[in-house]
Amino acid sequence: GAGVSQTPSNKVTEKGKYVELRCDPISGHTALYWYRQSLGQGPEFLIYFQGTGAADDSGLPNDRFFAVRPEGSVSTLKIQRTERGDSAVYLCASSFIRNSPLHFGNGTRLTVT
Amino acid sequence: SQQGEEDPQALSIQEGENATMNCSYKTSINNLQWYRQNSGRGLVHLILIRSNEREKHSGRLRVTLDTSKKSSSLLITASRAADTASYFCATDREETSGSRLTFGEGTQLTVNP
Repeated sequence: GAGVSQTPSNKVTEKGKYVELRCDPISGHTALYWYRQSLGQGPEFLIYFQGTGAADDSGLPNDRFFAVRPEGSVSTLKIQRTERGDSAVYLCASSFIRNSPLHFGNGTRLTVT
Repeated sequence: SQQGEEDPQALSIQEGENATMNCSYKTSINNLQWYRQNSGRGLVHLILIRSNEREKHSGRLRVTLDTSKKSSSLLITASRAADTASYFCATDREETSGSRLTFGEGTQLTVNP
């Protein structure tokens, strides 16, 4: 597709469950970012990939959060033992190269009950 | 953590009026970017201004940057109802160059027809 695609658009899960959120970046974009946005707030950085490697994962809140990008394209954000405080919109963005403007997907709204 | 602070938090104007939003930040930057977000959607890049630039225009948008005051403003001229959205400033900080953007909390703009 022409833009960044995120699936699912909505995810409801029970506390303690495991979830995976997927991001398909724009073809050819080497940089990929995950952000988290709570209601009424700006996006909060989680992790940045350059190619296949996580170049900066300092925004991941704890070790329940993990992300991969094995072939340098699609990325998956994985959350173990979900907590109610994990409820938010998870945004993925990609850019052609580092330092260029970000192209965002529409996000995955995660609700932990 | 959030770097930028936007003001006002919310702004309501009539169609045809100009809208001005301000952003302040704390640390040295490479560039500052403005993004727009419609409800339930991802962010869309509007304009990027580098640290050595003072003013930039793009269509009805005018951005200024004052690095001595660590502040920026976004002016939308001749506003339209379709401009209704949240607007975020984001900084590419020198210390994390290119690995992330740090977003403010946003200004909710409502343009009344």
